[in-house]
Amino acid sequence: DADVTQTPRNRITKTGKRIMLECSQTKGHDRMYWYRQDPGLGLRLIYYSFDVKDINKGEISDGYSVSRQAQAKFSLSLESAIPNQTALYFCATSDFTQSTDTQYFGPGTRLTVL
Amino acid sequence: GNSVTQMEGPVTLSEEAFLTINCTYTATGYPSLFWYVQYPGEGLQLLLKATKADDKGSNKGFEATYRKETTSFHLEKGSVQVSDSAVYFCALSDTDSGYALNFGKGTSLLVTP
Repeated sequence: DADVTQTPRNRITKTGKRIMLECSQTKGHDRMYWYRQDPGLGLRLIYYSFDVKDINKGEISDGYSVSRQAQAKFSLSLESAIPNQTALYFCATSDFTQSTDTQYFGPGTRLTVL
Repeated sequence: GNSVTQMEGPVTLSEEAFLTINCTYTATGYPSLFWYVQYPGEGLQLLLKATKADDKGSNKGFEATYRKETTSFHLEKGSVQVSDSAVYFCALSDTDSGYALNFGKGTSLLVTP
């Protein structure tokens, strides 16, 4: 079974709709991240969380919100989706207690906003 | 701020050719450096990493050396295979953003038989 899972894998929605993307991990890592991938732009950081009570904005947080419901779950919400939020979204985890900053990625969610 | 610049693709090579993908970085301090690979339709996988100057990361025939003097972390492979066709991302860990990864824009590699 995958260590980092994302649901849904694909989603098509309309402008103005509220969307939630979910991420779960079984790696026991404390840190979780949400990134967005756009063609030709690489991945950009949306939000990150050190633990349930510690959530931080990344480079492109406008239009997004997050919730860390438990150590293993980190959800990304688009309160009112717009077409330029069409992208591939990745969740990632890392365990800094192991003195390594390697991140482990989920399979991604492809979101299309019409 | 911290940033990563990598050569633009696409790069097209014949099987068994030598591969170099250039990556340079700008950073305060001494971040860890990474190469991630994304195969078609999949998420990102760690290919290799280096955590301090002069470290060499290696995996599956790929290598990259952390060069502080030239602020570079170029990816090399002596003989590429068709199965190496993918998008390669250079990244550094950003201590200002909770060790989130700061990525280059990615380099698409196509290896032809």
